Amino acid sequence: GDSVTQMEGPVTLSEEAFLTINCTYTATGYPSLFWYVQYPGEGLQLLLKATKADDKGSNKGFEATYRKETTSFHLEKGSVQVSDSAVYFCALEHNTDKLIFGTGTRLQVFP
Amino acid sequence: DAMVIQNPRYQVTQFGKPVTLSCSQTLNHNVMYWYQQKSSQAPKLLFHYYDKDFNNEADTPDNFQSRRPNTSFCFLDIRSPGLGDAAMYLCATSRTGGAGNEKLFFGSGTQLSVL
Repeated sequence: GDSVTQMEGPVTLSEEAFLTINCTYTATGYPSLFWYVQYPGEGLQLLLKATKADDKGSNKGFEATYRKETTSFHLEKGSVQVSDSAVYFCALEHNTDKLIFGTGTRLQVFP
Repeated sequence: DAMVIQNPRYQVTQFGKPVTLSCSQTLNHNVMYWYQQKSSQAPKLLFHYYDKDFNNEADTPDNFQSRRPNTSFCFLDIRSPGLGDAAMYLCATSRTGGAGNEKLFFGSGTQLSVL
């Protein structure tokens, strides 16, 4: 069945460092791909999405490109801030109206 | 301003004692979802309502039930909680379903402990 695999955390970075969180998926056809973020004490929020191959989703300085050839949707940010500390979830949706999530990656950014 | 509200934030129950978690929304969305998220695991969909139509996931235990008395409210009932049911329970809504084009709005979750 469809599934999402994320790199394990925590990812620990200094402020202004470059961030990559890897995400790969398994699905037939062309699923829609998402990154959700969960800040401490809050619910999940949609960060960005891409609905077809080669699309790039972007928001708040974060980017992810839908790579069909590598079945990947890696999250990147050029310069992280302390306020980016959160748990990041990669997810897919494929003809079912339901999201399938990865296990989440905790990001910790220190000043 | 909260749009999907879950109460309580933390819930403690005893082994085998029925417990109800609540979710309300001010978005007037048609679809409401319940997810279970155990520690360090991915959120797992338990069931969802499309309006009044209930859709249960095949692997959701019978111990879990849900009610949606109106558009705004949805309840998760755990009839006989076991230790393995301790988790964060997330409620989410979407306007029409179809997550590809419609984003989900999540509540802050209820952390359930079973003693």
